[in-house]
Amino acid sequence: GAVVSQHPSWVICKSGTSVKIECRSLDFQATTMFWYRQFPKQSLMLMATSNEGSKATYEQGVEKDKFLINHASLTLSTLTVTSAHPEDSSFYICSASRPPEAFFGQGTRLTVV
Amino acid sequence: DAKTTQPPSMDCAEGRAANLPCNHSTISGNEYVYWYRQIHSQGPQYIIHGLKNNETNEMASLIITEDRKSSTLILPHATLRDTAVYYCIVRFSITGTASKLTFGTGTRLQVTL
Repeated sequence: GAVVSQHPSWVICKSGTSVKIECRSLDFQATTMFWYRQFPKQSLMLMATSNEGSKATYEQGVEKDKFLINHASLTLSTLTVTSAHPEDSSFYICSASRPPEAFFGQGTRLTVV
Repeated sequence: DAKTTQPPSMDCAEGRAANLPCNHSTISGNEYVYWYRQIHSQGPQYIIHGLKNNETNEMASLIITEDRKSSTLILPHATLRDTAVYYCIVRFSITGTASKLTFGTGTRLQVTL
């Protein structure tokens, strides 16, 4: 299957700082990537759809100014959590679309202290 | 996308077949059934998908009822490494079109010795 790499795998940051998470499709080009968030013992919740060369589409209730998404190339999308707070601590997962399948990164565990 | 219903948890002895059911009674004619699994603290992994015919690959078999209102994922010889949360997702899919995945609560499969 296709490979999607997410970096970093885990990160600890101080409250008020920003954190950038990268999602790369290593062996295919992805016009569309998706960002999910997963809290402990819960399912994945879609945050936003990232489209190469255009603005991301955010799901209802997701603050676009807090979760900045950039999809500048066909192999890279980034999610920046700005002014992170402890409640932003979660498991963030990206997926890259190669229709009809979607391939997922290994996830990034963010802990805000 | 049609909603799916799965049992919250199942147990299976190692070496035996694991049969995971999924109800999707509101599925429409052009919606596919997808299965993903998520091993603890990792990103979801694609398993298999189908429209109306039964499908088999190196990981599993997918049996879809004739009325398409339910399906069963079969892991023919479960191992401890198959312990994971299994998600059944129904979505509209056309080659060349990316569509987001909506995750339900899934079935937590525990494979035991």
